[in-house]
Amino acid sequence: EPEVTQTPSHQVTQMGQEVILRCVPISNHLYFYWYRQILGQKVEFLVSFYNNEISEKSEIFDDQFSVERPDGSNFTLKIRSTKLEDSAMYFCASRADGRGTGELFFGEGSRLTVL
Amino acid sequence: DQQVKQNSPSLSVQEGRISILNCDYTNSMFDYFLWYKKYPAEGPTFLISISSIKDKNEDGRFTVFLNKSAKHLSLHIVPSQPGDSAVYFCAASVNAGKSTFGDGTTLTVKP
Repeated sequence: EPEVTQTPSHQVTQMGQEVILRCVPISNHLYFYWYRQILGQKVEFLVSFYNNEISEKSEIFDDQFSVERPDGSNFTLKIRSTKLEDSAMYFCASRADGRGTGELFFGEGSRLTVL
Repeated sequence: DQQVKQNSPSLSVQEGRISILNCDYTNSMFDYFLWYKKYPAEGPTFLISISSIKDKNEDGRFTVFLNKSAKHLSLHIVPSQPGDSAVYFCAASVNAGKSTFGDGTTLTVKP
């Protein structure tokens, strides 16, 4: 069964360092998302991406964050200068098309720990 | 402004009994409602959904009920099984766009 894969599964970084989280969405999907979950809190929307551009972003997704789809398969989230409060589980998700229920297929997540 | 709320952080039921998880929303523009199940160290997994034009959708042991006038939905699991123990997230979307998630309810099904 097709699945969304994410790397790394866990990354530890120092505050102020750049981090890139990688995702390979399901191959025929068209919509891509990043969500995050701070420990014990809700799953929060960060950004959605369609047709090679950001379609929507949340307040959390400030200038420190960026996304790109460099090669038609990978979908990356970059945090330029990490802060302690960026420590969270980051989930990539994809969706087939704009119809239907909007069911998202999630990866297993990348745990980011900022020290 | 929390648009999707799950007011019960946890629920414990006996195996074989019914589990009822509740969710309230505030945004009347939501037209699809989804339930996701999440195990520790895994991503959320889609469970069941319902369109705003329906009031019930059933899939095996799982049934979702929607009360639009009350802006309330619920997920019924019957019979509950120990393997159902997980965090359940209610989510809602507009035009099948981004999903807005509730805080989650941790369900524990005791053998």
